[in-house]
Amino acid sequence: DTGVSQDPRHKITKRGQNVTFRCDPISEHNRLYWYRQTLGQGPEFLTYFQNEAQLEKSRLLSDRFSAERPKGSFSTLEIQRTEQGDSAMYLCASSRQGESPLHFGNGTRLTVT
Amino acid sequence: QKEVEQNSGPLSVPEGAIASLNCTYSDRGSQSFFWYRQYSGKSPELIMFIYSNGDKEDGRFTAQLNKASQYVSLLIRDSQPSDSATYLCASGGYQKVTFGTGTKLQVIP
Repeated sequence: DTGVSQDPRHKITKRGQNVTFRCDPISEHNRLYWYRQTLGQGPEFLTYFQNEAQLEKSRLLSDRFSAERPKGSFSTLEIQRTEQGDSAMYLCASSRQGESPLHFGNGTRLTVT
Repeated sequence: QKEVEQNSGPLSVPEGAIASLNCTYSDRGSQSFFWYRQYSGKSPELIMFIYSNGDKEDGRFTAQLNKASQYVSLLIRDSQPSDSATYLCASGGYQKVTFGTGTKLQVIP
């Protein structure tokens, strides 16, 4: 169990640029979640996968956000045409099954200038 | 109405006291409940999970669940300054896991 790995740890980008984050879950975990967290708030749900299937995407998420998990292993989260309001910590988590606890990675901190 | 609600705090307790953290949830279909601890600038760390009504104890931590009242709590006995952090309550089931905004706990030496 090597834990959930996220890359990069930090990303600074200019408004309007596209960014992509990667998450490698714990190997035997079927579920993979993406959350966004801003200062003083709890993690806000973005989307989750069961194996390679994306089962739910937050209604709050604009079309600029897209996530994939092509082979049911690692996942990517892409944000197109970034805005300053996208600045946040992006957290990835994985779990064995639907009711199992989530295990979080260290997160990717995005700063949009 | 938020799906998971917590008092944001801060909750201040003296060292050695019992800290009591509370959470309510709105989805009666929720099956699983989690408490996470989050230090500033770090990612959430799992402390406890509970699925059935009643109490579940692990060391200094006790989680309590009352599904009829849609209420979850976390008790921390013999609180230590190192327990100072934000505590996140989360609920889930067969679908997504939803988090509250967290309660900031300060343990005063």
